[in-house]
Amino acid sequence: DTEVTQTPKHLVMGMTNKKSLKCEQHMGHRAMYWYKQKAKKPPELMFVYSYEKLSINESVPSRFSPECPNSSLLNLHLHALQPEDSALYLCASSQGRTSGSRNEQFFGPGTRLTVL
Amino acid sequence: AQSVSQHNHHVILSEAASLELGCNYSYGGTVNLFWYVQYPGQHLQLLLKYFSGDPLVKGIKGFEAEFIKSKFSFNLRKPSVQWSDTAEYFCAVKARIYGGSQGNLIFGKGTKLSVKP
Repeated sequence: DTEVTQTPKHLVMGMTNKKSLKCEQHMGHRAMYWYKQKAKKPPELMFVYSYEKLSINESVPSRFSPECPNSSLLNLHLHALQPEDSALYLCASSQGRTSGSRNEQFFGPGTRLTVL
Repeated sequence: AQSVSQHNHHVILSEAASLELGCNYSYGGTVNLFWYVQYPGQHLQLLLKYFSGDPLVKGIKGFEAEFIKSKFSFNLRKPSVQWSDTAEYFCAVKARIYGGSQGNLIFGKGTKLSVKP
């Protein structure tokens, strides 16, 4: 299984809502990532988890809150978002993040988020 | 800091034409290099990758790329494109930082390829 799955595919939420995005992989990967991709732009890294611990937070606002309940799952909790947060949110995973390992990242299909 | 430049924003070709998309990166050390493709409405898929060894890398769907270290380049090529190759193509670089974790995956801005039937 070389697949990263993400749910939901589409999400529309108001600025006062609380919602969560979910990501799952069963490849035994120990590093998982959240990216944000605006239309016609490249993905931008938001968070990195390595061995279920947050290792990188790219100065993401606190209205985005990641969680890694176990090595296969990654969540992104959303609260009080702004319309400019509307984007495609991509999850990815790789074997690890250490030097020397061939850490290609496998991407999920993304969640298309619209904030009204 | 690393950066990745993709010179062409939008490339329009007719079917059977040859393709070359440019990618240059700035980092003085060892890098891992990737080309990803994003078909309309679909997720990012890995086309090919370079870690070490033969600088000419073969990928899926007839794509190849050549790593030229002296030019800090990793251009993507395909001898004859098809309408189904219409997509956004992203070059990405990861610095191999020894003694610690690898650098983040840095993407170029992407090149949109439109192939006319």
